Amino acid sequence: NAGVTQTPKFRILKIGQSMTLQCAQDMNHNYMYWYRQDPGMGLKLIYYSVGAGITDKGEVPNGYNVSRSTTEDFPLRLELAAPSQTSVYFCASSTGTGFEQYFGPGTRLTVT
Amino acid sequence: AQRVTQPEKLLSVFKGAPVELKCNYSYSGSPELFWYVQYSRQRLQLLLRHISRESIKGFTADLNKGETSFHLKKPFAQEEDSAMYYCALNEAHNAGNNRKLIWGLGTSLAVNP
Repeated sequence: NAGVTQTPKFRILKIGQSMTLQCAQDMNHNYMYWYRQDPGMGLKLIYYSVGAGITDKGEVPNGYNVSRSTTEDFPLRLELAAPSQTSVYFCASSTGTGFEQYFGPGTRLTVT
Repeated sequence: AQRVTQPEKLLSVFKGAPVELKCNYSYSGSPELFWYVQYSRQRLQLLLRHISRESIKGFTADLNKGETSFHLKKPFAQEEDSAMYYCALNEAHNAGNNRKLIWGLGTSLAVNP
């Protein structure tokens, strides 16, 4: 099992550009999450999904969009990149609420 | 509001010394608490959860409902314990099973030789 995979590992964007951060898991987990981690700020939940076709906002959803067309994939879309979106992004999955979350390796994004 | 507080951003101890990473929570219901760890250049992973009452890598954590705390302890720290530690609370939403984890800001543990 690859677990949770994320691509790309690093990316530099110019202000106003868009991109999609890819996340996939091969554990057949229903729950998937996107977090951002800013220095000294811990993890903030951006969006989450409890199953294919179902997504919901987390604490900091502005500037992002998600979709969940399959159980395996949960891409995160940035439409108009802003410097405030410079962060490390983590995707995670779990079998359900209250269960262990499995994390991907992260994507380090810089917007300049 | 549900909240997790880790009062120390950085904790530095010497190898062999006891270590305690503090976690306090604010929650109105029956809490489910976790400790996650992120070693250098590795992904975040679960260390332990309070319901399993287990010891992982020599670490234990006891839920104290009276003090609303879930401190992580190890009697003799090792250099390989140096990492970022996050305390997390499983939040119960009003609507069904849409619960999420509430994260503390993390404590960076440095174990010096």
